[in-house]
Amino acid sequence: DTEVTQTPKHLVMGMTNKKSLKCEQHMGHRAMYWYKQKAKKPPELMFVYSYEKLSINESVPSRFSPECPNSSLLNLHLHALQPEDSALYLCASSQDPHQPQHFGDGTRLSIL
Amino acid sequence: GENVEQHPSTLSVQEGDSAVIKCTYSDSASNYFPWYKQELGKRPQLIIDIRSNVGEKKDQRIAVTLNKTAKHFSLHITETQPEDSAVYFCAATISNYGGATNKLIFGTGTLLAVQP
Repeated sequence: DTEVTQTPKHLVMGMTNKKSLKCEQHMGHRAMYWYKQKAKKPPELMFVYSYEKLSINESVPSRFSPECPNSSLLNLHLHALQPEDSALYLCASSQDPHQPQHFGDGTRLSIL
Repeated sequence: GENVEQHPSTLSVQEGDSAVIKCTYSDSASNYFPWYKQELGKRPQLIIDIRSNVGEKKDQRIAVTLNKTAKHFSLHITETQPEDSAVYFCAATISNYGGATNKLIFGTGTLLAVQP
């Protein structure tokens, strides 16, 4: 079964904090994605990594900084976030950029 | 820009009835159309998908149809059960960077309630 693991499950942080979200998959997938989902809305694409290179950045503010240290890991570094950044952050992976995407359980982020 | 319209936004059916959710996409180059089911507080789960070279695909009680000319695709759930209750999202790919990477655009979602 496909499995994308995200940590932490919940995160509360102040606007001046620095934190990171982590995503891991061991399925040999070569494309990984970050999405943001607000309540009762569809997921919105933020970043795509294809073969460990950033291939899509959907004009995301610089307070969100993605990193792909290796083919199994994807991080999202957070700094100086705003209250409107509170949302569910979903990671997904696919075998390659043209194959089905499978989501992790997400990190629920609250900005105080 | 490219978008995906989804209807209805809410759908209530009796257990055992069929449910149909419809989506329309704008990018004629879209070639992959997945459907995701998202239960409250959980991750979107891929339930079925279809590529543009196929008109219909079925998996047990779930089927998807695609009309490329009209740019429509639909999800059909037969013999609905209470556990089918969830939000369903359609999606379509658009190609960026000369087709090197596909991007998913999601519909706005349909809240399906199956009444026992």
